Amino acid sequence: EAQVTQNPRYLITVTGKKLTVTCSQNMNHEYMSWYRQDPGLGLRQIYYSMNVEVTDKGDVPEGYKVSRKEKRNFPLILESPSPNQTSLYFCASSVGQGVEQYFGPGTRLTVT
Amino acid sequence: GQNIDQPTEMTATEGAIVQINCTYQTSGFNGLFWYQQHAGEAPTFLSYNVLDGLEEKGRFSSFLSRSKGYSYLLLKELQMKDSASYLCAVVQLNTGFQKLVFGTGTRLLVSP
Repeated sequence: EAQVTQNPRYLITVTGKKLTVTCSQNMNHEYMSWYRQDPGLGLRQIYYSMNVEVTDKGDVPEGYKVSRKEKRNFPLILESPSPNQTSLYFCASSVGQGVEQYFGPGTRLTVT
Repeated sequence: GQNIDQPTEMTATEGAIVQINCTYQTSGFNGLFWYQQHAGEAPTFLSYNVLDGLEEKGRFSSFLSRSKGYSYLLLKELQMKDSASYLCAVVQLNTGFQKLVFGTGTRLLVSP
């Protein structure tokens, strides 16, 4: 089944404790992206990747890192999480830019 | 820059027709998506318009007017399961790169 998977689905952590949210797709998509979704603000892009080893900042990259060592995986790293990073996070992939994106199930992160 | 406006919330009755509007102001417009998102779930693709006019897909139709910066999603024969948020997303072309920019979404509540 073609899909985007994310882990964990739910995470409660404390300020400053490094964490990684994994994202994997099995559709051989070149383009992958991370979004955060907050009430009243909609989906905002954090980082994106156009292919292996090619990543760039989106609209809200501060406090986040990403890597793209393999085509299928695009982990999101929070080196020192803060409470303002409490949000619902979505990973998405597509065959290219500006086309239909397939979203993962989401990761609900709470930072206390 | 970009600005995408959608109503925050709408209500309708089962069996009725509802129109959800989206207006946008953006440089380098290159298409518009509509996504459906049930509470706590991932957005799923509904439609894509790049040319002016109406695209029909079953109970859902989407219209685009590029000159007016306007789109709408039309849902017919409403069902309870249509209660969800509907996200308008504009494809913005910027220096050779295409990016998807989301509106804040319209929450639709369908009542019996």
